[in-house]
Formats: sequence, structure tokens, C-alpha cells
Amino acid sequence: KAGVTQTPRYLIKTRGQQVTLSCSPISGHRSVSWYQQTPGQGLQFLFEYFSETQRNKGNFPGRFSGRQFSNSRSEMNVSTLELGDSALYLCASSKDLILEKLFFGSGTQLSVL
Amino acid sequence: GNSVTQMEGPVTLSEEAFLTINCTYTATGYPSLFWYVQYPGEGLQLLLKATKADDKGSNKGFEATYRKETTSFHLEKGSVQVSDSAVYFCALMDNYQLIWGAGTKLIIKP
Repeated sequence: KAGVTQTPRYLIKTRGQQVTLSCSPISGHRSVSWYQQTPGQGLQFLFEYFSETQRNKGNFPGRFSGRQFSNSRSEMNVSTLELGDSALYLCASSKDLILEKLFFGSGTQLSVL
Repeated sequence: GNSVTQMEGPVTLSEEAFLTINCTYTATGYPSLFWYVQYPGEGLQLLLKATKADDKGSNKGFEATYRKETTSFHLEKGSVQVSDSAVYFCALMDNYQLIWGAGTKLIIKP
């Protein structure tokens, strides 16, 4: 059974650009959530989607957005990149509504220059 | 708001030593509690969980008990191995999101 797949694995962008990250959940999983991991702030919740509906959103500016497609694949977008957006972006999927167990992808390492 | 506090690292131990990584939480109600582990170069993996007070989660020799009275979920292992070297995260589930502790880096020396 394939795990959670995130693409690309690495990204280098410059300030002001925008970026789209992709996440394919484990087959049968309908919940996808996104987290930002940085050395200074640790792990922070971005948003969670279930059946194409955003159920919760973390405390990030509107430049961070996401969506989920009917096949449960999810994308997150960051517009007008800032240096501080450099981070490891992790996607996690879960089968059930109460998210008792999340399966994480390996992440996309974003560097903003 | 809800939060998780865990002991700062790195924690350095010799092989076969006893391990405790402290975790305390602040929450309304009784959220599910988790320990996740991040091995070098790998993604986060669920290590164990507990969903209600007095539950004990266990996996791979690690244990943690959900203590409502002390709002704690300390991680313990009786005899650590070099392969346990990793970063350990305590977390609680709140409204479809995980709220994380800062992580504790564990280094086990042979």
C-alpha cells in the first residue's frame, strides 16, 4: 500500500514568487492536513480538508491557501513568497473523521531566496 | 488556547539507560494525546497514543500514560537503544488539528 506522496521533494524559489505543493493521500483516506515545520517555530498546523471541505485553518496569513480534489489529492499554495516561508511542509492523511492516526509524507523542503 | 509543553533537548543517554521525556498539556476537555517520532531523514511516524484518562499507549517498548490529574503524558522506555535516536514530539488533537510540542531530540550513545 503506497504511503502519502508529496511532490516536489525540494523547491527553491525567490521572494515574491508563488508556489504550489501537492499531496496524494493513502488510498481510501479522505482527510488531508498540512503542517509547516521550521527550526524556530516547530510544527504548526496550516489547514485540514475532508471530502473537499476545509474543516479547520491555522493561524497563517491569507497568502497560504489550499484545496482538496474529489480524489482526495490536495494542493497548497503560497503566494508572494517571503524569506520566512522557508520550511519543510508536511502533509498527512487519515481515514476516519476523528483523525486518530495520521500518516505523514516525507515533506516538501521549500527554500525562499 | 490549547498547548503542549515538552522538555527541551537534546537528551543524551547511554545505551540501555532508562528514558523519560516529559510532556504536559493545557486543554479544554479531554483531547486525544500522541507521541510521534521523526527519525533522521524520515517523516513523522505515530509512536503511540491515548484517547482517554488513565489510558496507557505502548509501542516498541515505549509507554505513556494519560494523566488527567497532572495533565501529563510522559514518554518512557526501560532500556534505550542506539536506534532510538530521533526527535520525539508530543501532541494533542483539537478540532481536526494536531497541536505540537517543540520536540525533544534524543541521542543514544553506544
